[in-house]
Amino acid sequence: NAGVTQTPKFQVLKTGQSMTLQCAQDMNHEYMSWYRQDPGMGLRLIHYSVGAGITDQGEVPNGYNVSRSTTEDFPLRLLSAAPSQTSVYFCASRAQGAVSNQPQHFGDGTRLSIL
Amino acid sequence: AQSVTQPDIHITVSEGASLELRCNYSYGATPYLFWYVQSPGQGLQLLLKYFSGDTLVQGIKGFEAEFKRSQSSFNLRKPSVHWSDAAEYFCAVGNNAGNMLTFGGGTRLMVKP
Repeated sequence: NAGVTQTPKFQVLKTGQSMTLQCAQDMNHEYMSWYRQDPGMGLRLIHYSVGAGITDQGEVPNGYNVSRSTTEDFPLRLLSAAPSQTSVYFCASRAQGAVSNQPQHFGDGTRLSIL
Repeated sequence: AQSVTQPDIHITVSEGASLELRCNYSYGATPYLFWYVQSPGQGLQLLLKYFSGDTLVQGIKGFEAEFKRSQSSFNLRKPSVHWSDAAEYFCAVGNNAGNMLTFGGGTRLMVKP
């Protein structure tokens, strides 16, 4: 049971480069989301999806794009990386249904550095 | 807008001592509240959650939390801390639609032998 798998685990980019962070889950969860974690700020929601073909913005969406072509995958794209996007990125998923019964499952994170 | 404040950035306790981590939230309706734990280099693991009913909730690893509406608080407690509890702890509030979790800044717990 793999759960939520994020790749890569580490990445270094130069300013202006593009990159896609991958997230896959094998639990048939409808709801997926991306967070970034910065020191002292907890996790902040970037984008989320409630099902294939449906995405929406979270708290800090600028500079990031997402798409959801399948239930399993929810990639996060940086079109032109900036140093302010240096962070640890977490993907999470949960099943639809009552929030009380459906906790979020988190991946192990991708540590991204922009030089 | 919903928000969460964890006033303590770092806490150090001795092994075997009791622990209380503070969490204050702001949310217009009845909140969905969570505590997560993060070990170094790992993702977040759910410790416990509150949605309704009994205001004292039990979680995994011997943790519990108490919801106090009058104080807008959801503090995490453990009667006797183990060295393996050293980690970072996050409190979070979720909206009723279930599509947004707002996290506090986290509290890093260190355990002295």
